[in-house]
Amino acid sequence: RKEVEQDPGPFNVPEGATVAFNCTYSNSASQSFFWYRQDCRKEPKLLMSVYSSGNEDGRFTAQLNRASQYISLLIRDSKLSDSATYLCVVPASGGSYIPTFGRGTSLIVHP
Amino acid sequence: DAGVTQSPTHLIKTRGQQVTLRCSPKSGHDTVSWYQQALGQGPQFIFQYYEEEERQRGNFPDRFSGHQFPNYSSELNVNALLLGDSALYLCASSQDRVEAFFGQGTRLTVV
Repeated sequence: RKEVEQDPGPFNVPEGATVAFNCTYSNSASQSFFWYRQDCRKEPKLLMSVYSSGNEDGRFTAQLNRASQYISLLIRDSKLSDSATYLCVVPASGGSYIPTFGRGTSLIVHP
Repeated sequence: DAGVTQSPTHLIKTRGQQVTLRCSPKSGHDTVSWYQQALGQGPQFIFQYYEEEERQRGNFPDRFSGHQFPNYSSELNVNALLLGDSALYLCASSQDRVEAFFGQGTRLTVV
């Protein structure tokens, strides 16, 4: 099993829709998780951190399910500007904190 | 407060050549990580530097080497370039193993 797995998409949704992405991870000892957003040909930018059960920031909610080893990102009331690739990040196994990225999920929000 | 800065932004090299990429971390950060991102993939961890030493290394050949200076800035060197080394090279800085902040990247093209 890969350390971090994401559905690459693309998820194609209309403005105003609610969309959710999942990310599964293999390192059961992971304590901290992150979602990054990456626009085309740009660097990843931190979107949200998830340290316990979840985190909410405006239209964005991140949740952690330790039993099933996945984290999710929910985006409500999608905007055109939400179109991007969303990268899930978990620490690599082995004890050291080395961020391991999923391949990302592409979101396209259309009018 | 300047964020993470990388230079150059774009680079074209010929197979077999050597290249050096540079990174200045965000103010207050002492840890620098380097990633390679191929088109359509998530960033792949190359190595991490802390206190001027390589702390952790990903699955990359010895052609990839690095250095960290006393001011925490870092260099990534790649020898004997291959066509497959063409990618976006990202530098990320962090402090105390918390969230990483990325530079805008160096887009390397090997021809």
